[in-house]
Amino acid sequence: RKEVEQDPGPFNVPEGATVAFNCTYSNSASQSFFWYRQDCRKEPKLLMSVYSSGNEDGRFTAQLNRASQYISLLIRDSKLSDSATYLCVVNMGGGSYIPTFGRGTSLIVHP
Amino acid sequence: ETGVTQTPRHLVMGMTNKKSLKCEQHLGHNAMYWYKQSAKKPLELMFVYSLEERVENNSVPSRFSPECPNSSHLFLHLHTLQPEDSALYLCASSRGDGEGETQYFGPGTRLLVL
Repeated sequence: RKEVEQDPGPFNVPEGATVAFNCTYSNSASQSFFWYRQDCRKEPKLLMSVYSSGNEDGRFTAQLNRASQYISLLIRDSKLSDSATYLCVVNMGGGSYIPTFGRGTSLIVHP
Repeated sequence: ETGVTQTPRHLVMGMTNKKSLKCEQHLGHNAMYWYKQSAKKPLELMFVYSLEERVENNSVPSRFSPECPNSSHLFLHLHTLQPEDSALYLCASSRGDGEGETQYFGPGTRLLVL
């Protein structure tokens, strides 16, 4: 079983739609969770951290479910500019700062 | 604006060439990373340095040789590469002092091996 798993997609949605991605992780001791965004032919950039209580940043909401070992990203009112690959990142804990990246979920928002 | 720069941005080399990729971070971080990203594949961690010491090497072929002369600079020396080594090579840095750290990526070097 892979340490961090994501559905590669692509998720093809119209503008204005709400879309959600999940990411599962295998190590129950994982401590830190993030969503990164990677545009085509660009480097990954931090989108948001995922806190135990969940967090929201504008149209983006991230949640953590420790019991089921997954994190989610919800995008409301999708924009064309949201088209990108969304990478789930997990820090396995135990004092290690080296993260594990998922393979990413591709989102395509069309007019 | 990223505090991590990489040069060159694009590189074409033959299998017998020797070249080096350079990464520099201006963020005062202690940890630096090399990743490989091939087309339609996930990021692959290659090397990790913390305070100029290599802390992880994920079974990378010896034709890739990293060098970290100080905490701000990281090199990846390339020699006798294969066409399958063509990929985007990303450098990243982080604080390196605890968990829950954000990684800051450079723009990458797009490498083509002929």
